[in-house]
Amino acid sequence: DAGVTQSPTHLIKTRGQHVTLRCSPISGHKSVSWYQQVLGQGPQFIFQYYEKEERGRGNFPDRFSARQFPNYSSELNVNALLLGDSALYLCASSLAAGVNTGELFFGEGSRLTVL
Amino acid sequence: AQSVTQLGSHVSVSEGALVLLRCNYSSSVPPYLFWYVQYPNQGLQLLLKYTTGATLVKGINGFEAEFKKSETSFHLTKPSAHMSDAAEYFCAVSSRSNDYKLSFGAGTTVTVRA
Repeated sequence: DAGVTQSPTHLIKTRGQHVTLRCSPISGHKSVSWYQQVLGQGPQFIFQYYEKEERGRGNFPDRFSARQFPNYSSELNVNALLLGDSALYLCASSLAAGVNTGELFFGEGSRLTVL
Repeated sequence: AQSVTQLGSHVSVSEGALVLLRCNYSSSVPPYLFWYVQYPNQGLQLLLKYTTGATLVKGINGFEAEFKKSETSFHLTKPSAHMSDAAEYFCAVSSRSNDYKLSFGAGTTVTVRA
């Protein structure tokens, strides 16, 4: 079975632009989470969606938004890009809503560079 | 809010030697604790997790961790390092109430010397 797939794998944008990152969860998984991993740091939580509803939001500005589609895939959108948005964006899926009851399976990430 | 601190950003061990990665947590109530591994150009993979019950948790690839409430620690060990253990390791914590997210430490990079 396919794991969590993310696209694109790499992209370069300039300041002020907008970016959309996509994630397809493992088949049967209804929960999708997004994390930002800046070089040299641990992943930081951005959003979690379960059954198309937002369950949690991290400490990120409103420029960051996400949604989950009926097929449980997800998009992360970032507007008005800043240099500090350069990072690896990780998507994770799980069967259960809570991270304590289910295992998070991570994709390989989308590496965003903002120039 | 829950948080974890990983002591040592880089650890270098000889092949066959003990691997010890340190993690301390901050939480007002007993948390859930996790260790993840990230190989180059890959996503994170769960090594093990502590929820309740036995404080010594065994994971994949020969790793284990012990939850010590008195020391607020959850250190990761492996008795004998293998070259394939070279990776970055992250300790993470979640709360029992707001279980929608993991809070990760800064990570420890492990290098294994032949």
